[in-house]
Amino acid sequence: GAVVSQHPSWVICKSGTSVKIECRSLDFQATTMFWYRQFPKQSLMLMATSNEGSKATYEQGVEKDKFLINHASLTLSTLTVTSAHPEDSSFYICSAYRGDNQPQHFGDGTRLSIL
Amino acid sequence: AQKITQTQPGMFVQEKEAVTLDCTYDTSDQSYGLFWYKQPSSGEMIFLIYQGSYDEQNATEGRYSLNFQKARKSANLVISASQLGDSAMYFCAMRPMDTGRRALTFGSGTRLQVQP
Repeated sequence: GAVVSQHPSWVICKSGTSVKIECRSLDFQATTMFWYRQFPKQSLMLMATSNEGSKATYEQGVEKDKFLINHASLTLSTLTVTSAHPEDSSFYICSAYRGDNQPQHFGDGTRLSIL
Repeated sequence: AQKITQTQPGMFVQEKEAVTLDCTYDTSDQSYGLFWYKQPSSGEMIFLIYQGSYDEQNATEGRYSLNFQKARKSANLVISASQLGDSAMYFCAMRPMDTGRRALTFGSGTRLQVQP
């Protein structure tokens, strides 16, 4: 069964709305989670690394004020897309770090459409 | 910095035949892990197989095997006895094992289509 849960699966909202996406590790504690963005027919691009109890580490070119990340517990990281605009429409997917020799398990992703 | 290269944007294979998806990588890390993921059209990322850089034997998981050639920096995925359900995007990924960076670096992916 799934070890990482991501919610919601689909979001359609108006421009200017803020959208929160949740990523939960289901049967393990994840001190580190990752947020990726994927455009159609492209690969996954790392946006940020979410660390429990500390600030997220953002990749170069990712606006930290636009994409707010909160990792308040060992099983939950949230990504909030603030004041979303059509160019923020994309597929967002999270993963959780479980150990050096363990694969990263991914959530099922969130398709975000901003009208 | 790490880089993953997948040179096959798309591949076709007949059902029940084997197929090899290519992956080459570049890294200055001594210890690293290589991963393959499958992404069906529904979007989820499904872990298939893992190979550590110090593993002497090639990894196998059911119908999946990883042809690891360290000197050539290649980590090709072999799928035996292809099934229609294998049609999907396949991503090769890696990450270092001896640094603090835990995020995966992905290749551009290969779209596999299995034909009946």
